[in-house]
Amino acid sequence: EDKVVQSPLSLVVHEGDTVTLNCSYEVTNFRSLLWYKQEKKAPTFLFMLTSSGIEKKSGRLSSILDKKELSSILNITATQTGDSAIYLCAVTTGTASKLTFGTGTRLQVTL
Amino acid sequence: NAGVTQTPKFQVLKTGQSMTLQCAQDMNHEYMSWYRQDPGMGLRLIHYSVGAGITDQGEVPNGYNVSRSTTEDFPLRLLSAAPSQTSVYFCASSSGPRVDGGYTFGSGTRLTVV
Repeated sequence: EDKVVQSPLSLVVHEGDTVTLNCSYEVTNFRSLLWYKQEKKAPTFLFMLTSSGIEKKSGRLSSILDKKELSSILNITATQTGDSAIYLCAVTTGTASKLTFGTGTRLQVTL
Repeated sequence: NAGVTQTPKFQVLKTGQSMTLQCAQDMNHEYMSWYRQDPGMGLRLIHYSVGAGITDQGEVPNGYNVSRSTTEDFPLRLLSAAPSQTSVYFCASSSGPRVDGGYTFGSGTRLTVV
């Protein structure tokens, strides 16, 4: 059975801090790992990672995949209150016909 | 471009009632799927489809039916609602195995079964 584990489950930081969120996976026939941000409604896409060691960046957010360690990290630098959300990690396998999600990390950024 | 549209946004059902959650996408995506999200449990896959006429079960399929008669629509049917089906339901779609932008999600349906 495919499994995705995220840590920590929740995190409270001060504005301006840097945070690192973790995602590890145990799946058969790995294809890609995706990060999503969920505020009040639907998850919104952040990154898709398929190759080990190649960092993807978008503004203050970045992510990297380590296929040897079966894991990924999501970094957020200079956090802002607008970064408060649940961050979801998901994995696709085979033909990428479905997503297997972790339980998410709830991030709260305080002033 | 509407993306993925889910209706209704909110629904209250009595135990034993049936209903259909609607999902439509206008991006000509091959893949569509249904997830439920419960507190502390992330999103869990209910059913998914890789094209019209093809569906398969996910992690938590019991109590739900799906069909995919067209590329655009993927309705989720609750046969006999139970309080354990109280959840937020998300429909998602993607263009297939060469996707580089992940899945697109609908805005969700919050279902309460009393």
